[in-house]
Amino acid sequence: EAGVTQFPSHSVIEKGQTVTLRCDPISGHDNLYWYRRVMGKEIKFLLHFVKESKQDESGMPNNRFLAERTGGTYSTLKVQPAELEDSGVYFCASSHWTENTGELFFGEGSRLTVL
Amino acid sequence: GEDVEQSLFLSVREGDSSVINCTYTDSSSTYLYWYKQEPGAGLQLLTYIFSNMDMKQDQRLTVLLNKKDKHLSLRIADTQTGDSAIYFCAEMYNQGGKLIFGQGTELSVKP
Repeated sequence: EAGVTQFPSHSVIEKGQTVTLRCDPISGHDNLYWYRRVMGKEIKFLLHFVKESKQDESGMPNNRFLAERTGGTYSTLKVQPAELEDSGVYFCASSHWTENTGELFFGEGSRLTVL
Repeated sequence: GEDVEQSLFLSVREGDSSVINCTYTDSSSTYLYWYKQEPGAGLQLLTYIFSNMDMKQDQRLTVLLNKKDKHLSLRIADTQTGDSAIYFCAEMYNQGGKLIFGQGTELSVKP
């Protein structure tokens, strides 16, 4: 069974440009999460989808970040326009709705570098 | 607000035991976790403990939970060079699947 996959693995853009990160969760997982780790600090929660609905977006830093999950399958996270402080590793995770032990399955992350 | 703290670095010799410590603030946490990140890889769930347990053992891993002091530890017995990685402690906040992570402890295992 395929795990959580993220694309791209690494993106280098200039300040002011736009980047879209994609996450494909494990098939059948209703919960999808975005997290990020900036500058070697702690991994911080961004938002949580249940199917196509945003359950909790309290961690989204500002309105330059837009997450979507059309059809409740894959999700995209767009940063527009990107700023230097957005550099970091963006992790996606998924879990099964009914097995809420919190066992999140993480992807390998998308490293974003903003120059 | 919720907060999870870990020491940043730990260095041990191969064959020794490693103990990674973590403190958290949310007393209503239901689950606490240890994740491992190897270089260039994603986050791998190592183990988790339910908040009504004091201890959980899984092969070389032992998790101890002190709810009174809000202290969680991970002990790795017979540490190997392949255990070198960053270890993240995390707590589940508000039972919604949202995890609060610590900064990660970089474990270095010397031969």
